[in-house]
Order: sequence, then structure tokens, then C-alpha cells
Amino acid sequence: QEQLVESGGGLVKPGGSLRLSCAASGFIFSDYYMIWIRQAPGKGLECVSFISSSGTTIYYADSVKGRFTISRDSATNSLYLQMNSLRAEDTAVYYCAREEVAAFHYGMDVWGQGTTVTVSS
Amino acid sequence: SYELTQPPSVSVSPGQTANIPCSGDKLSFKYTCWYQQKPGQSPVLAIYQDNKRPSGIPERFSGSNSGNTATLTISGTQAVDEADYYCQAWDSNTAVFGAGTKLTVL
Repeated sequence: QEQLVESGGGLVKPGGSLRLSCAASGFIFSDYYMIWIRQAPGKGLECVSFISSSGTTIYYADSVKGRFTISRDSATNSLYLQMNSLRAEDTAVYYCAREEVAAFHYGMDVWGQGTTVTVSS
Repeated sequence: SYELTQPPSVSVSPGQTANIPCSGDKLSFKYTCWYQQKPGQSPVLAIYQDNKRPSGIPERFSGSNSGNTATLTISGTQAVDEADYYCQAWDSNTAVFGAGTKLTVL
């Protein structure tokens, strides 16, 4: 069964750090782009960061550039998001998702259950 | 930066057809996806590449994309279809989401 499971969320003070993890199973991890999407309370979806299947292409939203770092480990089929200098506006549910990208994009077809990050003093 | 615009809400009676639009500059030149999200749940891919349904998505869900507008159509809408729907497209190596449309079935 193809599955993504996030972990690492929690309550952190402004300026603090967290590392989110996303464990993939049931599919060939290295075949897929991996994406972090967040959803602030009562708000819509925002693509925070993604990393290509090879790891050579990385994107960050302007709102997190310079503070967040995405990485992937094919040996453990894991995706990570290192979040530093956290702000109140980073409070959200963070989802990881996969997308097959060949000549075209095929949609984010598997999502994790999400992990909640709360930034508050 | 690229923007996708959706109406905040759409209402439909059970059994009728719901159309949810998503507009963006020259959107027909890009592939559009649609995601369904029910309260407290993760989003689910409903349509990809404008009009393709992943396995497990009912046939009543369809999509189109022409000019500046992509449209998600739900035929014979059921109460279980009540959810938030988000359109999404890739632009300049960025995944862009619309703000979402709340579909109410009443």
C-alpha cells in the first residue's frame, strides 16, 4: 500500500526550529517528486517546498526561503523539512505529497495525514 | 507570480450538476489538477491533466480547460461530494493552488 507518514510537528517558540519527516512506503521513492504543502488554520493549500526525484531541482516559497531546507534520503525512503527561525505565520498543518513528473506532471496522488506545527510563545 | 482564482463557494442541489471554475492567465496552456478536501482530512487528487480521473474517483467527476478557465464538473452531485475543492497548476517550476471553493450540497 502506497503511504506517506509525517512526523515531527509540535509547539515551538518564535525563532525556534523543527525538523519534519515524511516516511514513504509501498512505492519506488526515487521515482517521484516530493512536495511539502501547508495549510494554515481555516486557510487554503500552499506549496512550501519541493524536491525533484533526483534531488537536483529544489524550490522554496518566498515566505520560507532562507529559513527552511528540504532534503530526501533514498536509502531510508524519507523526506525531510528543516525549519529554522520559525514565525507565528508558519503555524499550519504540514503535508507531504508525491507527484510523478515525466514529460508532464501527473498530480499529487498520495498525501500523508499531516503533522501540525504551532509557533507560539 | 502566477495566480489561480476560484469562487469562495458554490451551491448545488442533490442530483444536479456542479461546476467549479478556476481562472488564470492562459491557463489552457498548462495542465490543471483538482483536489477534494473534506473537513479534518488530507486532500485527495480528483482530476489531473485537466480531465483525467485517478483510479477510485467516481465517473461523475470530470474536468475541462479552455482559454483562461479550467472547470471541475460534478454530475449528479451527492451529499458525500460536499467538500472544499482546490485547483492547482505548475508555473515556472512552482506548484500554484487556487484559494479553494466550498461546495455545499443542499
